[in-house]
This record gives sequence, structure tokens and C-alpha cells, in this order.
Amino acid sequence: GDSVTQMEGPVTLSEEAFLTINCTYTATGYPSLFWYVQYPGEGLQLLLKATKADDKGSNKGFEATYRKETTSFHLEKGSVQVSDSAVYFCALIYQGAQKLVFGQGTRLTINP
Amino acid sequence: NAGVTQTPKFRILKIGQSMTLQCTQDMNHNYMYWYRQDPGMGLKLIYYSVGAGITDKGEVPNGYNVSRSTTEDFPLRLELAAPSQTSVYFCASSDSSLRAYNEQFFGPGTRLTVL
Repeated sequence: GDSVTQMEGPVTLSEEAFLTINCTYTATGYPSLFWYVQYPGEGLQLLLKATKADDKGSNKGFEATYRKETTSFHLEKGSVQVSDSAVYFCALIYQGAQKLVFGQGTRLTINP
Repeated sequence: NAGVTQTPKFRILKIGQSMTLQCTQDMNHNYMYWYRQDPGMGLKLIYYSVGAGITDKGEVPNGYNVSRSTTEDFPLRLELAAPSQTSVYFCASSDSSLRAYNEQFFGPGTRLTVL
């Protein structure tokens, strides 16, 4: 079945460091891909999305590119801030489907 | 718009008790979902609904029931609570139109402990 695998956490970085959180997926078709972020004590919020191969999603300085050839959707940010500390979830869904498939989440902590 | 609201925020139940987790959305979305999030894990789908009067099971429906009598509300019922149901529960909704790309909007969650 379809699945999403994220890099193991937790990840701890210093402020202004470069961030990469890896995400790979297994799917039979061509799903849409998402990154959700969960700040402490809150629900999930959509961070960015890409709906077809080679699309780049971006928001708040974060970027991810839909790579069909490597079935990946890695999240990157050039210079992280303390306020980026959160849990990040990669997810996929097929157009017209109801079920989001989530990765297990990666906890990110940014130290000043 | 308030978006997706959930009540209560926290609850402690004894084994065998029952309760209803409330979820309401004001975005006129026809799709609604219930997830549970266990520590260190991703979200698992419990039940979902594609419109008023229509519900279906997700990955982990055992021990739960849902109903959808209106577009806005999607309550989750726990009967005979068990320690395995200790989790954080999230309700979500989405617009089914193609342009929406299935973006789901989440509530703040209900943290449930069963002792």
C-alpha cells in the first residue's frame, strides 16, 4: 500500500543553520504531496504542497520539490529560526480520495 | 471564521466510561475526518465522512462511532473507554472540489487519557 517515510528525529539545529528533512513515498499513482507543521499544543497546519512532478511548494522560507524519479519530497530551509521549532509531517493524497497518508513526523528543535 | 473547533481540550476517563468528542467546522466543507495521534507516531484515520448522513471507517475504527447529521458537526463517540484509546484526537475538514487539492484543515485537538 501507499506509505510515507520521513527521516528519524528528533533534529536539533542552531539558529540560522540549513535544514533538510527527508521524505520519501511509495505510491501506485501520482499523488499530491504535502508538508504539515504542528506547533506545540496546536493542530496541524498546511505548510506547503505540490500536486505534480517537478512542482516546487514554498512557504515561510521553506521549500520542497516533488521528485517523481526518486519518489521524494524533501523539506528545506536556508536559515532556520527558533520559531520553526515544531513537528513536521510529510503526507500524500490522491486527487479525489479522502485519506491522507502521513509519515511519522519529525520533531525539530532550534536553539538560539 | 473559527475554522475547525473541538471540545473538550483535555479529558480524563476511567476504563469503561464513555464520552463524545465534539467537532464543528464553519467553512461549509463536506468532507470531515477524525484522526488519532499516538506519541511519536503519525496520524491514523479513525472515521471520515463525505457529507451529511454518510460515514465510513478509516484505519483504526474499533471502539469508536461517529455520526454526521449536519454539514457542520462530526462528533466522535467512545464507548467503553480503554487505556489503548489514550491519545490526542484531531478533527479535520476539507473541500471536495478539485481546485482544493484535498487540503485538510485541522482542529486544535483533544488530549484524552484513559486510566
